Amino acid sequence: QQQVRQSPQSLTVWEGETAILNCSYEDSTFDYFPWYHQFPGESPALLIAIRPVSNKKEDGRFTIFFNKREKKFSLHIADSQPGDSATYFCAASPGGNYKPTFGKGTSLVVHP
Amino acid sequence: AQTIHQWPVAEIKAVGSPLSLGCTIKGKSSPNLYWYWQATGGTLQQLFYSITVGQVESVVQLNLSASRPKDDQFILSTEKLLLSHSGFYLCAWSPGLGGGEQYFGPGTRLTVL
Repeated sequence: QQQVRQSPQSLTVWEGETAILNCSYEDSTFDYFPWYHQFPGESPALLIAIRPVSNKKEDGRFTIFFNKREKKFSLHIADSQPGDSATYFCAASPGGNYKPTFGKGTSLVVHP
Repeated sequence: AQTIHQWPVAEIKAVGSPLSLGCTIKGKSSPNLYWYWQATGGTLQQLFYSITVGQVESVVQLNLSASRPKDDQFILSTEKLLLSHSGFYLCAWSPGLGGGEQYFGPGTRLTVL
């Protein structure tokens, strides 16, 4: 299965800072790139996603930056809040394929 | 609105015993359905997916099987549990063609002793 590499494994920021989570992939057929967040004891929830036709997608404080040439995409969380503390997973899947590949996750802690 | 329900919420089972986990989605016809497994602190490993009733595709071999007896129901089972089966089992659904965005159910936490 094609890999999706996610970094850092853990990240600590102060309230109000921008948290940056990174992912890279190998398979050039991937065409859908979602981010999920998972709070302790809960199931993952879709946060935001992007397709390669765009290099940026915003939703409130959450922004995906996508670099097709370098096969990288990142999640920026602006004005981080303690309530953003969770594990974040990136994923990637090819068009028409039902087998997304997930990264290993980034554990984000936002200190007040 | 679509709702996804999983049962049971949690299970404690003995090694070698059988297992059946269920997932039902309401409010969406012909959804694509998925089973995932997540170890504590781990990533999401897709186990099976199904795009129509009666058809299930296996993604990894973990001595588990899945079935889709109805359009809105997905079942995960095994006849003999292993210690390595412990973890968090998640059912998910997606609309349309291809995987696309996936929406997860609340999960079943399984402990095998």
